[in-house]
Amino acid sequence: GESVGLHLPTLSVQEGDNSIINCAYSNSASDYFIWYKQESGKGPQFIIDIRSNMDKRQGQRVTVLLNKTVKHLSLQIAATQPGDSAVYFCAEIPRPTSGTYKYIFGTGTRLKVLA
Amino acid sequence: DTGVSQDPRHKITKRGQNVTFRCDPISEHNRLYWYRQTLGQGPEFLTYFQNEAQLEKSRLLSDRFSAERPKGSFSTLEIQRTEQGDSAMYLCASSLSALAGGGNEQFFGPGTRLTVL
Repeated sequence: GESVGLHLPTLSVQEGDNSIINCAYSNSASDYFIWYKQESGKGPQFIIDIRSNMDKRQGQRVTVLLNKTVKHLSLQIAATQPGDSAVYFCAEIPRPTSGTYKYIFGTGTRLKVLA
Repeated sequence: DTGVSQDPRHKITKRGQNVTFRCDPISEHNRLYWYRQTLGQGPEFLTYFQNEAQLEKSRLLSDRFSAERPKGSFSTLEIQRTEQGDSAMYLCASSLSALAGGGNEQFFGPGTRLTVL
């Protein structure tokens, strides 16, 4: 079935270094992708999104890259801070014409920032 | 706080009991979603409402599960005859449809953690 998965379940990064979290998706018809951050005991929090007609989008300290050829999504966090420690999920959103609005989430990558 | 709220935050129950969770979406949002999340996994879609209409249900939503959104505002998720496998975090999210001026982003609540003993 359709799925969104992550290559690395845990990523440990030194404070101040850059982090790269990867995600593979399987549905080439997906229209939109979102990265969420989830801290312990909280719901997922929106970080950044990207449409399928884009290759790159930048936010504040975060960049999302989309490679549709290999169905790969990545989240880059610059100058990683202790507050970035969390689990990160990518979510795949189908086209509105597909008749569904459900997000498909991957397993998640835990980011640990080392002091 | 004008975000999505859920109640209760934690629920411990014995196997076989019924439980009901409540979700209050962001007030102007017309779409509401329920997800289930188990430890170490991403959220799994359960069901979706547009206003008061339940438009999509996952096969994960067995006949022991029922969700309602009677007035198109808050929603409830009931689980009957709970089983230990129902233990999970139940997340609610809301969004505003594009026709109503929104984007695709779903805003999540803090979740209700259910433990079935």
